[in-house]
Amino acid sequence: EDQVTQSPEALRLQEGESSSLNCSYTVSGLRGLFWYRQDPGKGPEFLFTLYSAGEEKEKERLKATLTKKESFLHITAPKPEDSATYLCAVQGRTSYDKVIFGPGTSLSVIP
Amino acid sequence: NAGVTQTPKFQVLKTGQSMTLQCAQDMNHNSMYWYRQDPGMGLRLIYYSASEGTTDKGEVPNGYNVSRLNKREFSLRLESAAPSQTSVYFCALGGNGYTFGSGTRLTVV
Repeated sequence: EDQVTQSPEALRLQEGESSSLNCSYTVSGLRGLFWYRQDPGKGPEFLFTLYSAGEEKEKERLKATLTKKESFLHITAPKPEDSATYLCAVQGRTSYDKVIFGPGTSLSVIP
Repeated sequence: NAGVTQTPKFQVLKTGQSMTLQCAQDMNHNSMYWYRQDPGMGLRLIYYSASEGTTDKGEVPNGYNVSRLNKREFSLRLESAAPSQTSVYFCALGGNGYTFGSGTRLTVV
């Protein structure tokens, strides 16, 4: 059964304090791993897709990396506007029509 | 969110009442999805439609029905609402990274 877990559940950082969010997954053949950002009261917003171990993607202060069992979302020198919930999701090769989401990590960046 | 319109944004129902959540897109995607989001449980797939005229069950379909009337519209119906269906409902479009609507916050009392 495809499964996604995320840690920590919540993270509080000072502005400028870099850190990483973890996404661990179990899937029968990875088709793609996705990162989303969700602001309160809004729908998730797509950030990245990673397809194979060793791949990396960057966008502003965010960098996503992928291994065979987990993905990390590194946040470098975060700002208050980076505060949001970050969701990880996977799509398996045998369930290409479905994407399984993790519970998310709630990030707060304090000025 | 641009391209995906969900209505209504908020709704309060009494137990046993019925309602339909509407989703319309203008992005010409074949695949459309209905998810529910509950605290600590993440997004769970209710139903999906890979193309016009087809629908399939997801992880939590019980208590729901769907209709894919045409390529643009995908509706979710609750025939007899229960308190356990209190949640935030999102419609999403397929592709390399889903596009989500802004959600419907439903409370069943």
